[in-house]
Amino acid sequence: LAKTTQPISMDSYEGQEVNITCSHNNIATNDYITWYQQFPSQGPRFIIQGYKTKVTNEVASLFIPADRKSSTLSLPRVSLSDTAVYYCLVGVPSGTGTASKLTFGTGTRLQVTL
Amino acid sequence: SAVISQKPSRDICQRGTSLTIQCQVDSQVTMMFWYRQQPGQSLTLIATANQGSEATYESGFVIDKFPISRPNLTFSTLTVSNMSPEDSSIYLCSVDPGNYGYTFGSGTRLTVV
Repeated sequence: LAKTTQPISMDSYEGQEVNITCSHNNIATNDYITWYQQFPSQGPRFIIQGYKTKVTNEVASLFIPADRKSSTLSLPRVSLSDTAVYYCLVGVPSGTGTASKLTFGTGTRLQVTL
Repeated sequence: SAVISQKPSRDICQRGTSLTIQCQVDSQVTMMFWYRQQPGQSLTLIATANQGSEATYESGFVIDKFPISRPNLTFSTLTVSNMSPEDSSIYLCSVDPGNYGYTFGSGTRLTVV
């Protein structure tokens, strides 16, 4: 399983765009990149998943360069409620019918303040 | 996505005793995963539970310490046996519901005294 490297922590002010970059130099051809969000006292929650280029949903965007050795999670106009730990994972994507164990890295602790 | 009901949400237990954690999923899933999250740390996979077969344990985790049951496609239990203070953690179950990523239970916060 490919290892991921993320910044341990980030700080932001409310209303700013936050970009969290993840390195995954050994990503395999079939691996997808998935990001999860975890609030205190809760289990991780799926945010976004992608294979290449750009993916956008209602809460975030995921940018993946052509070499796929890194990815960037972009959170537009963060609010206090976005304070959480964000995990980047690479591996077999969900929904393929082949459930696979997830390997969590250290995650990035995002603190949003006024 | 799937909804997981995990019980208990928290417990305080005496060392040497055992605690069984339950996870109920609102849909049938082939695999269920059990994770441990120590205070301030990331998640570590304990084992993968398939219905009808023995669970597969990750390095550092053994069946005698963390026995798992998987009686059907919607339910699983994890027992933390002969507990010590080092077992104080959050324990979470997870499934792949088939879309929108893996779903996690809300966790069981275990404190061993």
